[in-house]
Amino acid sequence: DAKTTQPTSMDCAEGRAANLPCNHSTISGNEYVYWYRQIHSQGPQYIIHGLKNNETNEMASLIITEDRKSSTLILPHATLRDTAVYYCIVRVNSGNTPLVFGKGTRLSVIA
Amino acid sequence: GAGVSQTPSNKVTEKGKYVELRCDPISGHTALYWYRQSLGQGPEFLIYFQGTGAADDSGLPNDRFFAVRPEGSVSTLKIQRTERGDSAVYLCASSLTPITGTNGYTFGSGTRLTVV
Repeated sequence: DAKTTQPTSMDCAEGRAANLPCNHSTISGNEYVYWYRQIHSQGPQYIIHGLKNNETNEMASLIITEDRKSSTLILPHATLRDTAVYYCIVRVNSGNTPLVFGKGTRLSVIA
Repeated sequence: GAGVSQTPSNKVTEKGKYVELRCDPISGHTALYWYRQSLGQGPEFLIYFQGTGAADDSGLPNDRFFAVRPEGSVSTLKIQRTERGDSAVYLCASSLTPITGTNGYTFGSGTRLTVV
């Protein structure tokens, strides 16, 4: 799998948008961008994924640059419960290729 | 059950002992994954089952670790001659196969193994 680069940590004020960047400059044409998050003492939780178009669901939005070398996960109105480690992963979306996690970004939402 | 269940939630064992960690996947999920997570690190892939067979065991660190899934549902991760370095949270995940998008893997809350 292509490697991803994320900042180690970020802070965000409660109620504001949290924008989490991810670089994946060596992504292949058939690799998707996945985001998971891990709240303390829990297993990782799927958030969203995309190939090249921007995606939105009830949790977040995913903005992928036109050249697909980077992406941004957006939590539009961060709450204290969004405090977690956020993982950006690139993966071929076929079969059951295991997800390969990096260290992620530790997001702290501050009241 | 509604989610992936892992038991026990915590396990303390003495160095050199044998341990078994259990994972009950979501009913109907044919793919099952084991990961290990050390403090401050992301989850590290260990092994993946498709049905009863291990489709990829490339992440197992050495021959003290092995896992089984005899009936294609419940899986057991077995660690022989435990070492202090084996202390970690062991995570299990399951998914439908093939993955065509949506939410992919569902993880359990993990088993925290402490080797003293």
